[in-house]
Amino acid sequence: AQSVTQLGSHVSVSEGALVLLRCNYSSSVPPYLFWYVQYPNQGLQLLLKYTSAATLVKGINGFEAEFKKSETSFHLTKPSAHMSDAAEYFCAVGGSGNTGKLIFGQGTTLQVKP
Amino acid sequence: SAVISQKPSRDICQRGTSLTIQCQVDSQVTMMFWYRQQPGQSLTLIATANQGSEATYESGFVIDKFPISRPNLTFSTLTVSNMSPEDSSIYLCSVYTNTGELFFGEGSRLTVL
Repeated sequence: AQSVTQLGSHVSVSEGALVLLRCNYSSSVPPYLFWYVQYPNQGLQLLLKYTSAATLVKGINGFEAEFKKSETSFHLTKPSAHMSDAAEYFCAVGGSGNTGKLIFGQGTTLQVKP
Repeated sequence: SAVISQKPSRDICQRGTSLTIQCQVDSQVTMMFWYRQQPGQSLTLIATANQGSEATYESGFVIDKFPISRPNLTFSTLTVSNMSPEDSSIYLCSVYTNTGELFFGEGSRLTVL
């Protein structure tokens, strides 16, 4: 069985500050891990994915995430927040040989203050 | 990548009616899915749309309530039957590509009165 827990349903940062969105997973098989972003009234856009290659994954818009097996974590970071980063962020897990059936976390709303 | 178009983008429906949502992909894909996002919630997989055969439903979802068609590798429909206010959600079509990525449509925002 697989599950995802996103710690913090709301995160607020100042523009220019570090963004850290937390994600912990549970998986009985080697996981594939994803971060998606959802802007208001839009669908989901893939930020980045981990599929058992490099543990530090770089994505779009300056985001990156590090897979830590010992901590079962896949936290999303960005060194400097921009106002346009305000959105809902979802962490998701799929199994090895990922078929596209993902389990999503509850989401974290990122607020960026000027 | 894949470009996914969904219609309608939003609709307001009356209780007891049914609505069919269409999903068109700009390329042939093997794996196509339907997800639901209830207000303020995360995404839940409804079913896998199988080309030329019956869809595979996840626990808690049944064919009578959410019939799905997949006549070819670029198109699928999801019908929400006998709607109630609890069906008010965003319904998202998604496709899994051979690059190991899941792409989503813009979603169909359904409000049931």
